[in-house]
Amino acid sequence: AQSVTQPDIHITVSEGASLELRCNYSYGATPYLFWYVQSPGQGLQLLLKYFSGDTLVQGIKGFEAEFKRSQSSFNLRKPSVHWSDAAEYFCAVGASSSNTGKLIFGQGTTLQVKP
Amino acid sequence: SAVISQKPSRDICQRGTSLTIQCQVDSQVTMMFWYRQQPGQSLTLIATANQGSEATYESGFVIDKFPISRPNLTFSTLTVSNMSPEDSSIYLCSVGEGWTEAFFGQGTRLTVV
Repeated sequence: AQSVTQPDIHITVSEGASLELRCNYSYGATPYLFWYVQSPGQGLQLLLKYFSGDTLVQGIKGFEAEFKRSQSSFNLRKPSVHWSDAAEYFCAVGASSSNTGKLIFGQGTTLQVKP
Repeated sequence: SAVISQKPSRDICQRGTSLTIQCQVDSQVTMMFWYRQQPGQSLTLIATANQGSEATYESGFVIDKFPISRPNLTFSTLTVSNMSPEDSSIYLCSVGEGWTEAFFGQGTRLTVV
């Protein structure tokens, strides 16, 4: 069965420091992978996605993620964190081969940014 | 892209009552999805709603508890029936067409007292 694991429930980084959020997935076929961000009281916003091709994908707000098939990972990175990045981050894998709407989400990682 | 509007944005309900959540999309979509996000938890898919057919429920969710309507290609409702405090969650509507991305509504924050 498909699953997504985000090993870090809570991460605190200083503003300006680099960030890496971990995501591991279990999926039988080529995965469709996503990172979403949820700010307090807000809906989900897509940061980036991987379908195929270049394994390093660029997203919005300066985020990037690298797909590593050998490690079943899709870690999210940002070279310099801003205070406004404090939010909940969800990694997700597409659960259907035909539609992006059916997603399996990881447990989420709460990012706290210290001034 | 798709813009999704959910109503209500939040509600406080008495146990034993029911709440119907509306989801309106600004374009026609084949499938709509309903998710639940329990406090401090991740999102879990409740069901997939296709226009003109019964919704398909995920394991652990049943139609009697979460009846869904899908009267046309831009609208769906989710009802949370006979509510208990354990139903206190954020309920999100989502749409996705093909392999582009899934769009989410702002969610409905439900508190059952």
